[in-house]
Amino acid sequence: KNQVEQSPQSLIILEGKNCTLQCNYTVSPFSNLRWYKQDTGRGPVSLTIMTFSENTKSNGRYTATLDADTKQSSLHITASQLSDSASYICVVRGGTGGFKTIFGAGTRLFVKA
Amino acid sequence: EAGVAQSPRYKIIEKRQSVAFWCNPISGHATLYWYQQILGQGPKLLIQFQNNGVVDDSQLPKDRFSAERLKGVDSTLKIQPAKLEDSAVYLCASSPGLADTHRGEQYFGPGTRLTVT
Repeated sequence: KNQVEQSPQSLIILEGKNCTLQCNYTVSPFSNLRWYKQDTGRGPVSLTIMTFSENTKSNGRYTATLDADTKQSSLHITASQLSDSASYICVVRGGTGGFKTIFGAGTRLFVKA
Repeated sequence: EAGVAQSPRYKIIEKRQSVAFWCNPISGHATLYWYQQILGQGPKLLIQFQNNGVVDDSQLPKDRFSAERLKGVDSTLKIQPAKLEDSAVYLCASSPGLADTHRGEQYFGPGTRLTVT
């Protein structure tokens, strides 16, 4: 079954600290993996996309990694800011019988001053 | 470039009533999606359109939910009659190109928060 699991479910950190969010997936065949940021009351916005051959992708203070062999991805946030408080959703595209888009449940990040 | 527009932003109804949501995708985007996002969960695909044809509606509760995309542009999602468990945010998203050949980035609207009492 094609699944995307994220951990932790929620996380609280102090402003200026770093954090890492995890995503494990069982989607096969694999096409690409995206991380989305969803602010409260808003729709998700794409942060990064990685295909099979890419193992690191950065977008400012956000760095995503992908290990296609172990089917794991992480999103590292450096020097967190209050505006980083949001849900981060891992989304994998692939699957048999056509290309599906499978969403994880998200990690809720709270950055405190 | 204007983003995906949705209305209304909030809606409160009683169970067994009907409700409709509207979505205007980014101009020129061929693919349109409706998602249901329950609090604390990721979005769940309800229906996917390619132009004005349905690509995937396997998770749409067809006994109470319906959607249409007339002329391949705007779309409406209707619930009739609503149940308490329909309380959620309904997200509309659009993407350019064909459903199975582009890199899959979806552009989301702000969503409609539905509360069924």
